[in-house]
Amino acid sequence: TQTVSQSDAHVTVFEGDSVELRCNYSYGGSIYLSWYIQHHGRGLQFLLKYYSGNPVVQGVNGFEAEFSKSDSSFHLRKASVHWSDSAVYFCAVSAHSAGNKLTFGIGTRVLVRP
Amino acid sequence: GGIITQTPKFLIGQEGQKLTLKCQQNFNHDTMYWYRQDSGKGLRLIYYSITENDLQKGDLSEGYDASREKKSSFSLTVTSAQKNEMAVFLCASSGENTGQLYFGEGSKLTVL
Repeated sequence: TQTVSQSDAHVTVFEGDSVELRCNYSYGGSIYLSWYIQHHGRGLQFLLKYYSGNPVVQGVNGFEAEFSKSDSSFHLRKASVHWSDSAVYFCAVSAHSAGNKLTFGIGTRVLVRP
Repeated sequence: GGIITQTPKFLIGQEGQKLTLKCQQNFNHDTMYWYRQDSGKGLRLIYYSITENDLQKGDLSEGYDASREKKSSFSLTVTSAQKNEMAVFLCASSGENTGQLYFGEGSKLTVL
């Protein structure tokens, strides 16, 4: 069974600041790791994913994430946030053998102040 | 591109009532999912279906039924609504084994 931990429930940053959202997982086999964004009152939208290869993956709107096997982590970063980045961010893991059956973290709420 | 449509967007019911949520997708995806979202608890999988007429229980299936009569649609029934079931229900679909899901906008359930 895979698990996902997002250690920060809330993060507040100023527009133009950088942000890093932390995600740690536990699973021993081949996995997909992904990040999703949820704006208020909306469904989740895919940001990026990692399966193999280059541990730094680029996503939409300037987001990137870095996979670390040694740390069992997949942290999400953005160099310069915009007010529209205010949302809840979910990290997810799925075992490759389980297809697309994702396990989600509890989410990190990001507030970007002007 | 495709879209996932959930109906209704808001559902209000009485305690003990049977309530049904519907989901349609036009991605032609094989697999569809129902997740429940509670504040502070993330998303928890209720049911999923890998093809028409297939049903697989998730971690939170007790108290729910699901139906996948067509490839494009997946419905979820709350068999006897309880006040602690007030949450947002999210439908999703996925194609091949990609680790990527596409979500609907959600249906908010309120139990009076």
